[in-house]
Amino acid sequence: EAGVAQSPRYKIIEKRQSVAFWCNPISGHATLYWYQQILGQGPKLLIQFQNNGVVDDSQLPKDRFSAERLKGVDSTLKIQPAKLEDSAVYLCASSFPTGRQETQYFGPGTRLLVL
Amino acid sequence: QKEVEQDPGPLSVPEGAIVSLNCTYSNSAFQYFMWYRQYSRKGPELLMYTYSSGNKEDGRFTAQVDKSSKYISLFIRDSQPSDSATYLCAMSIYNFNKFYFGSGTKLNVKP
Repeated sequence: EAGVAQSPRYKIIEKRQSVAFWCNPISGHATLYWYQQILGQGPKLLIQFQNNGVVDDSQLPKDRFSAERLKGVDSTLKIQPAKLEDSAVYLCASSFPTGRQETQYFGPGTRLLVL
Repeated sequence: QKEVEQDPGPLSVPEGAIVSLNCTYSNSAFQYFMWYRQYSRKGPELLMYTYSSGNKEDGRFTAQVDKSSKYISLFIRDSQPSDSATYLCAMSIYNFNKFYFGSGTKLNVKP
């Protein structure tokens, strides 16, 4: 079974530029998550999709971050304009029910450096 | 106060040692507890999950939950250099898919 795919793996941009990340979840997984992981910290949920609808985007900085999941499969996360503090690893995860709860599977992440 | 607290380490142990990794939490509604392992420059991978208080064993790994103390642990027996990674605890409210992660403990097992 293929895992969660993400691209690009690395990105270096200057502040105020825009950047986009792509995620392809595991086939059949209805729920998709985007997390931000700053060095030395645990993942912080940015947005959660159920199929192509948003379930939770309470921690997404909506003035600069946007995300979409068209057709309930692939997803893109965009930052425009980027700030220095956006330097982090952006993790995509997808999940399916395991008993009473969903199990999340993570992609390798996109490492963003904003200069 | 953070929802989930985890000592960042780093924790350095010799090969073969028993490792104890811990998290505390503040929300008594958490019912589902997970441990993830994250190698450098990789995404987290699920090691174990459990719903109830008590112990759950899987090979060299044992997850322990004490809901009365709001405290969870992961024990690694006969630690190996390949266990060197950051270990993240995570938890969620029953039937909700929002996970709250600890900050991770970096473990180094020396040959």
